Amino acid sequence: GENVGLHLPTLSVQEGDNSIINCAYSNSASDYFIWYKQESGKGPQFIIDIRSNMDKRQGQRVTVLLNKTVKHLSLQIAATQPGDSAVYFCAENPFSGGYNKLIFGAGTRLAVHP
Amino acid sequence: GAVVSQHPSWVICKSGTSVKIECRSLDFQATTMFWYRQFPKQSLMLMATSNEGSKATYEQGVEKDKFLINHASLTLSTLTVTSAHPEDSSFYICSARQTAPHQNEQFFGPGTRLTVL
Repeated sequence: GENVGLHLPTLSVQEGDNSIINCAYSNSASDYFIWYKQESGKGPQFIIDIRSNMDKRQGQRVTVLLNKTVKHLSLQIAATQPGDSAVYFCAENPFSGGYNKLIFGAGTRLAVHP
Repeated sequence: GAVVSQHPSWVICKSGTSVKIECRSLDFQATTMFWYRQFPKQSLMLMATSNEGSKATYEQGVEKDKFLINHASLTLSTLTVTSAHPEDSSFYICSARQTAPHQNEQFFGPGTRLTVL
């Protein structure tokens, strides 16, 4: 649903491990989803996107999985590095038939330990 | 990739004053820009959608007379926080959407940290 987060959940991983960050979205009509990375004091940085006609998309070290049945999105980061430490947000475009605006999820802080 | 800048990157002002934040698309034209605010340890909340040459569309609960948005050109949108109060202190982030045929991509600025004393 709409972001109502009062605090960010944290995922702690060891360097070199794989990370999986999950996100539940709210609108079954959403047809476009994006994962963003935000470092402290900076704006969001695009990671990877996926359209609703796909269930998986791969990038460099990242994979996004989309399960429309349960309205769930995940971001998998392979061989996590210290530079991956940041807050990760999923965003959905809740309007079909064209790009309009993005609604952001609550976010997950990823902490990578050496 | 496309670059979006914001100015200033941070600003401190006294309560009751107005503050203007600029959002520029540096190497592309943006028919639509978006303004977000982000409180510490929280997500981005969309405030308004700014369309070049027309009035901005504000999200529910956002006061249009408090947060004035002007999008006078395809590369510049401004957000003015009028009569700022301490509760307006936040991180303000803009994003810009390219014109067709790449209008599905949205690029974010680096944000502006506003502190109202």
